[in-house]
Amino acid sequence: AQKITQTQPGMFVQEKEAVTLDCTYDTSDQSYGLFWYKQPSSGEMIFLIYQGSYDEQNATEGRYSLNFQKARKSANLVISASQLGDSAMYFCAMREGIGLTGGGNKLTFGTGTQLKVEL
Amino acid sequence: DAGVIQSPRHEVTEMGQEVTLRCKPISGHDYLFWYRQTMMRGLELLIYFNNNVPIDDSGMPEDRFSAKMPNASFSTLKIQPSEPRDSAVYFCASSRGQGAETQYFGPGTRLLVL
Repeated sequence: AQKITQTQPGMFVQEKEAVTLDCTYDTSDQSYGLFWYKQPSSGEMIFLIYQGSYDEQNATEGRYSLNFQKARKSANLVISASQLGDSAMYFCAMREGIGLTGGGNKLTFGTGTQLKVEL
Repeated sequence: DAGVIQSPRHEVTEMGQEVTLRCKPISGHDYLFWYRQTMMRGLELLIYFNNNVPIDDSGMPEDRFSAKMPNASFSTLKIQPSEPRDSAVYFCASSRGQGAETQYFGPGTRLLVL
């Protein structure tokens, strides 16, 4: 089974609108972390936001927020007030076994969602 | 602060040649990761080091691939001999500790093997 599933290969959003990028995950660990990265056309991987499995509040970083629903095993990224510069590929990733000796190092990535922001 | 530095940024080589990719992690980070990104397989972890010691190399595709970290500020990923199917973007990332610590990625090396 896929550990990270991103079901939207491509998304379009109009400038200044909000957009939600879906991510579901599969783990039996109690302690894990979820990350979102942005990859613009230039190719670099840019860290956006992190959510720990024990964090009670949803993570926020500027225009980015993470809609974390633990029971549903989903960690959707919400981008508010989209800008043209948000056009990029977005990857959801998970680290399992956080806090365990020797654990919590491997990042497993989803297949990504290509977001296009239009005027 | 300087981020993760990778060189070269682009490499074009012929099948059978040796390729060496280089990485300088962020100072103070004690974990270093090598990833490969292809259209077919997405982003996959090849190997990672902790305090210069290889911890998990289960993602290394085959014996043609080798990685070293002779000191805390330098790592190499070598492919010998290279094959066209090795064409990909290779990323190096580093983090300060494990678990919740964020991995910061370098700009990547785009490798094309003809």
